[in-house]
Amino acid sequence: DQQVKQNSPSLSVQEGRISILNCDYTNSMFDYFLWYKKYPAEGPTFLISISSIKDKNEDGRFTVFLNKSAKHLSLHIVPSQPGDSAVYFCAASGGSQGNLIFGKGTKLSVKP
Amino acid sequence: EAGVAQSPRYKIIEKRQSVAFWCNPISGHATLYWYQQILGQGPKLLIQFQNNGVVDDSQLPKDRFSAERLKGVDSTLKIQPAKLEDSAVYLCASSLGSGTYNEQFFGPGTRLTVL
Repeated sequence: DQQVKQNSPSLSVQEGRISILNCDYTNSMFDYFLWYKKYPAEGPTFLISISSIKDKNEDGRFTVFLNKSAKHLSLHIVPSQPGDSAVYFCAASGGSQGNLIFGKGTKLSVKP
Repeated sequence: EAGVAQSPRYKIIEKRQSVAFWCNPISGHATLYWYQQILGQGPKLLIQFQNNGVVDDSQLPKDRFSAERLKGVDSTLKIQPAKLEDSAVYLCASSLGSGTYNEQFFGPGTRLTVL
């Protein structure tokens, strides 16, 4: 029973264009959502987050949108750069201990 | 600031053998997590420590997995005996405190292969 779903295993985008990564969740108790980025042979690193009281959070080239009614969030990267090529994990939290539930990840390839 | 350190980086064992992983969190981080990441999946929390006490071990297979965090700093995760399905990357993470808004910092992981 997957509570956090990333239905696209991979995404290929041309350098300079927009990358849109999607994530769906099923548990309405989740109130905080995060995106992590992972390069091969490294641990995930925090990228950006959003609280359930907001519908958008922006940090430089990265913007996360949250649609609570649809239980859907997306990560936009504009413009995409070859260094953005990595696996992106969506994660959600709803407990007092901050436990994270991760999706399966989407592998982004940005072609020069 | 040094990151989360893990060793070994790679380990290959036969099924039914034992294995142990070590984690040194970021200095001053009270909360430590162990995650299991099977190929093609996202990380799954196995156990969470707050200082040297266990906060959540609901997804730890306690018949074969054990973890400890003596003195509230370093931690070890042990598997005894290992099964084929334990092949995965074991990630350690730490945060200043527990709770939703405490950013978790991950180590590079230990890749375990069980033959």
